[in-house]
Order: sequence, then structure tokens, then C-alpha cells
Amino acid sequence: DAGITQSPRHKVTETGTPVTLRCHQTENHRYMYWYRQDPGHGLRLIHYSYGVKDTDKGEVSDGYSVSRSKTEDFLLTLESATSSQTSVYFCATVDVESSYEQYFGPGTRLTVT
Amino acid sequence: LAKTTQPISMDSYEGQEVNITCSHNNIATNDYITWYQQFPSQGPRFIIQGYKTKVTNEVASLFIPADRKSSTLSLPRVSLSDTAVYYCLVGPGTYKYIFGTGTRLKVLA
Repeated sequence: DAGITQSPRHKVTETGTPVTLRCHQTENHRYMYWYRQDPGHGLRLIHYSYGVKDTDKGEVSDGYSVSRSKTEDFLLTLESATSSQTSVYFCATVDVESSYEQYFGPGTRLTVT
Repeated sequence: LAKTTQPISMDSYEGQEVNITCSHNNIATNDYITWYQQFPSQGPRFIIQGYKTKVTNEVASLFIPADRKSSTLSLPRVSLSDTAVYYCLVGPGTYKYIFGTGTRLKVLA
């Protein structure tokens, strides 16, 4: 699993509050990703990072921001959570030195009430 | 950025071979084809990866024709535990990995 952890694993928050999800990796992978997955649907890319302080938007970036101040941590922030952001959030990394395989974290289940 | 197209769902019976095809017409020269399996409430996990021809590992085979515009994941003798969603992904490209809808495989007893 490339040593990927996500925190928190579960969170319930109220509409309008800020929320930050953390992804931590121990493999020194350069690329990191945030996806969301809604029930019965596939993964949608929110943002990704190609290095410290280097990030780019994905398919569904509105309402989300990210930061990467060090290689091992990639933070996803919902500035003002809305009910439409209730979802499961997965972090992933890519080992570009070998197989381009993506390694996924266990996910964070976020509920916005 | 190569977009992929897969069947939305498939049903199979235990013990049968299952073939799932993915279309990726815009695949680039430096792209590999990777398949992932996802169980409910878990992140996707790697199954197999290939560049051309055929690749086989302990759980699956991957067939890629010469033009590389499609690929077929083959799961031999599926069991109930193979019920999952299977995704085909093409990359690295620009490393902006975007997943398609995936194929929901249901294995019946």
C-alpha cells in the first residue's frame, strides 16, 4: 500500500465549516492525488501534485484547495463545506521510478450535514 | 490524456473466464495500460499493467493488440470474491490520471 495513510478516516461536519483532510505517504513518491467517489460512481480527480508546492486542478476542483509543503503530505481543504461534498475521499500516489502504478489510501468518509 | 471506455457492468458465473475490454483510442506512445480492482469501501488496487502484446501474472492476463487502442483484462475461473469494480487506466501521459466509469462485475453462484 506504499505506506499511505489518511486522516481522519471518518468525519461529520456542518454546512459552511472548513474541513481539511490529510494524506501522508512514506515512500517519497513525487506525485500525489485526491479523488472523490460518490455512491455507485467512479473516482473523480479533484487535484493532484507533481512536487512540493506544485499542484494542478483535476475534473472537479471547484470548492476545494490543496497544499503540499513537503513531499510526504498532501492536504485537501474544503473552504466552506456543502452537502454536495459528502463523499468518500481517496488519496493516491504514483511511483514514477518504476511502474507508474497508483497506490491508494484507505479513504476518508466525509459527511456534511 | 487518454479517455477510456468500458462496459458499465457484466455478470458471470463462478468458474467461468471473464474478459473485460477497454477502449483507449487516443493512447500515446509512452502510455502504459493499467487495470485496477476496487471493492466497496476500499481504494482501488493494482491488478496488472502492460504496454503491448500479452502480460500474465498470478491473478490475471492482459491482452493488448498491436495498435494498442484497446486492451482486454482476462480473469480465469472467477469466484464470488472477484465481484468488484474494474477500472482501466492509461498513463502516465501528463500524470493527470482520470478514471473512467469502470466495469461492475458481479459473479453469481
